[in-house]
Amino acid sequence: DTEVTQTPKHLVMGMTNKKSLKCEQHMGHRAMYWYKQKAKKPPELMFVYSYEKLSINESVPSRFSPECPNSSLLNLHLHALQPEDSALYLCASSQGSGSGRPEQFFGPGTRLTVL
Amino acid sequence: AQSVTQLDSQVPVFEEAPVELRCNYSSSVSVYLFWYVQYPNQGLQLLLKYLSGSTLVKGINGFEAEFNKSQTSFHLRKPSVHISDTAEYFCASTFSGGYNKLIFGAGTRLAVHP
Repeated sequence: DTEVTQTPKHLVMGMTNKKSLKCEQHMGHRAMYWYKQKAKKPPELMFVYSYEKLSINESVPSRFSPECPNSSLLNLHLHALQPEDSALYLCASSQGSGSGRPEQFFGPGTRLTVL
Repeated sequence: AQSVTQLDSQVPVFEEAPVELRCNYSSSVSVYLFWYVQYPNQGLQLLLKYLSGSTLVKGINGFEAEFNKSQTSFHLRKPSVHISDTAEYFCASTFSGGYNKLIFGAGTRLAVHP
């Protein structure tokens, strides 16, 4: 199984809503990532979890809250978002630091629209 | 600091023609290099990677790339493209010892015309 899955595929939310994005992988990877991608731009790294601990936070606003319940799951909790947060949110995973296998595998993304 | 430059924002090409998408990197340490493809409304798919060893790497869908250390380049090539190759292509790098962070180029839009 070389797949990263993400749910939901699409999400529309108001600025006062609370919602969560979910990501799952069963490749035994120990590093998981959240990226934000705006149209016609490359992905921008938001968070990195390594061995279930948050290792990188790229100065992301606190209205985005990541969670890694176990080595296979990654969540992104959303609260009080702004319309400019509308984007494609991508999850990725990799073997982890020190493995000699740095390539990241991406999920299909969640298309988020904030009204 | 690491950076990746994709020299062409758009590359139009006719079906069955060869194509080269250019990528240059800068790094003061050993790098790992990747090409990803993104079809509309989808995630990124790994096309190929250079970690070490042979400088010519072959990937999926008939793509290949050559690592050139002296020119700090990692250009992507395909000898004959298909309509289905129309997509956005991203070159990315990370470095040994710190490879939790991918540095992406701006992307190249490959448009294959019949």
